[in-house]
Amino acid sequence: EIVLTQSPGTLSLSPGERATLSCRASQSVSSSYLAWYQQKPGQAPRLLMYGTSSRATGIPDRFSGSGSGTDFTLTISRLEPEDFAVFYCQQYGSSLLTFGGGTKVEIK
Amino acid sequence: EVQLVASGGGLVQPGGSLRLSCAASGFTFSDYDMHWVRQSTGKGLEWVSGIGTAGDTYYPGSVKGRFTISRENAKNSLYLQMNSLRVGDTAVYYCAGGPHLVRGVLNAFDIWGQGTMVTVSS
Repeated sequence: EIVLTQSPGTLSLSPGERATLSCRASQSVSSSYLAWYQQKPGQAPRLLMYGTSSRATGIPDRFSGSGSGTDFTLTISRLEPEDFAVFYCQQYGSSLLTFGGGTKVEIK
Repeated sequence: EVQLVASGGGLVQPGGSLRLSCAASGFTFSDYDMHWVRQSTGKGLEWVSGIGTAGDTYYPGSVKGRFTISRENAKNSLYLQMNSLRVGDTAVYYCAGGPHLVRGVLNAFDIWGQGTMVTVSS
């Protein structure tokens, strides 16, 4: 099983600032198979990124993803008020899927 | 409108059973691999089962042998039979789906339902 470790646990930032979220895997993940999800309180998660760097339908271009091997990053270039939420990475592309523990992006 | 509606949650005693259902609409259900994902209160996401378009099934070790996922394409429906339930199975259970790639290679989840609450307690 691939274990995904996200850091930091909480990120306190102001609107307009840049957010950088990390996801580290216990073993190499094919860059085709790393996704990011956003979850707001009381809501189901929403797919943001797939294949490391491809934005899902309707996701604004202030969201970007990068990385390879065991280290992946989600960047939000300029935080909007609606971006504050919990973000999860996920590795897929096999028959055993795992999520990271999540990073909460909160308003400073 | 693309929609997944989960139902069947409730209160059950430890050792008991429960069957969850998920009704799909607005997309070609038979073209999607489908999954159940759970989330305990205040905790992260945990994938608990998946089923491919051909009916191939996948489970993590934490539920293997206790949970059974199934689908009925004619009814656009997904199910999760949960047996030998434990207090630690208490969570909101989401159904989710991703477009089929190839057998044994599961995709990211671009469709999510609203979740149904399962509480295991005496």
